[in-house]
This record gives sequence, structure tokens and C-alpha cells, in this order.
Amino acid sequence: DQQVKQNSPSLSVQEGRISILNCDYTNSMFDYFLWYKKYPAEGPTFLISISSIKDKNEDGRFTVFLNKSAKHLSLHIVPSQPGDSAVYFCAANSGGSNYKLTFGKGTLLTVNP
Amino acid sequence: EAGVAQSPRYKIIEKRQSVAFWCNPISGHATLYWYQQILGQGPKLLIQFQNNGVVDDSQLPKDRFSAERLKGVDSTLKIQPAKLEDSAVYLCASSSTGKEPPFFGQGTRLTVV
Repeated sequence: DQQVKQNSPSLSVQEGRISILNCDYTNSMFDYFLWYKKYPAEGPTFLISISSIKDKNEDGRFTVFLNKSAKHLSLHIVPSQPGDSAVYFCAANSGGSNYKLTFGKGTLLTVNP
Repeated sequence: EAGVAQSPRYKIIEKRQSVAFWCNPISGHATLYWYQQILGQGPKLLIQFQNNGVVDDSQLPKDRFSAERLKGVDSTLKIQPAKLEDSAVYLCASSSTGKEPPFFGQGTRLTVV
């Protein structure tokens, strides 16, 4: 029973264009959502997060949007760069202030020069 | 600042053998997590420590998996006996208080043959 779903295993975009990575969730108790980025042979690295009381959070080229009614969030990367090529994991917190993360399966983003 | 250190990086064992993984969290981090990431899946939380006490081990297969964090710093995760389905990357993560996104180590890739 997957509570956090990333339905696109992979995404390929051209350098300079927008990358949009999607994530759906089923548990209404999730109160915080995070995106992690993972390069091969490395551990996941925290990228950006959003509280369930907000609908948008922006950090430089990265913006996360949350649609609570649809139980959907997305990560926008503008403009995309070749160094952004990695696996992106969506994660949701169900532990309140004590982090307990449930991860999606990840989406492999490839940014072509 | 040094990151989360894990060893070994790779381990190959035969089924029914035992294996242990070691983790040294970021200095001063009270919260330590062990995650299991099976190929093609997102990381799954196995156990969470706060200092040397267990906060959550609800997803730890306790018939074969054990973990300890005796002095509230380093931690070991043991599997005995190993099964083929235990083949995965075992990720250790830590955070300062448990109320922030965790930092991950590079992981230990276990192959059970």
C-alpha cells in the first residue's frame, strides 16, 4: 500500500527548460512534504520542503507546489541544468514535529545539454 | 562539517549468514535513523533512535534484524540470518533533534546470494 506515489519513473528535459516532477499521496495525516535529490553512489540530499498549511515554497530555481484537495505536489526546476540530473524522491512526514518520513519510488531526471 | 559515515560500502554474503553495518552520525546529532532501500523503491524507515533510546521500530523485522546505539553516538544494524530479499542499500541518516530533515550517509549495498 503505497502512501506516496511518484508515477513517472523517468523524465527527460532540455537544458534551460522547466522540469516538473509530480507526487501524489493518500494519507491525509501527512503534515510536511519534502523533496530529496540523489546522485549515483551517494545518499539522498534534502532539497526543499513545504508545510501542509502552505501551497507554495520557492528556493532559487526550485519551487514546490502543494494541492491539498487533490493530494498532489510538484517540484518545478527552472531553468533546468545538466547538474540537476539525478533521482528525485518525494517524501511525506507523518510524525508531526518528530520526523517520520515515507518516501516515493523516485523519478530519474535527465537534463540534456 | 563531516557527514554521516557508514561502513562497509559494499557487502556480499550468502543467505543464512549474518552481517553488520556501522554508522557514525554527524557530530552532535541526537536522532539517528536506519533506512532500507530496495532496488527501484524509495527508502523505508527501519528504526529511529533518539540518543540511545528507540523512538520507532515498527517496521523493523525483529525476528532477524537488530540495531543498537549504545552510547547515543555510533550505531550498528545487524541481520541474522540474512535472506535473499534483504538485498538492498542500507542508509543511515541523522538529524540534530529529530525535528529537521535528516542528513543521509552514502549507504551500504548488501547483496545476499
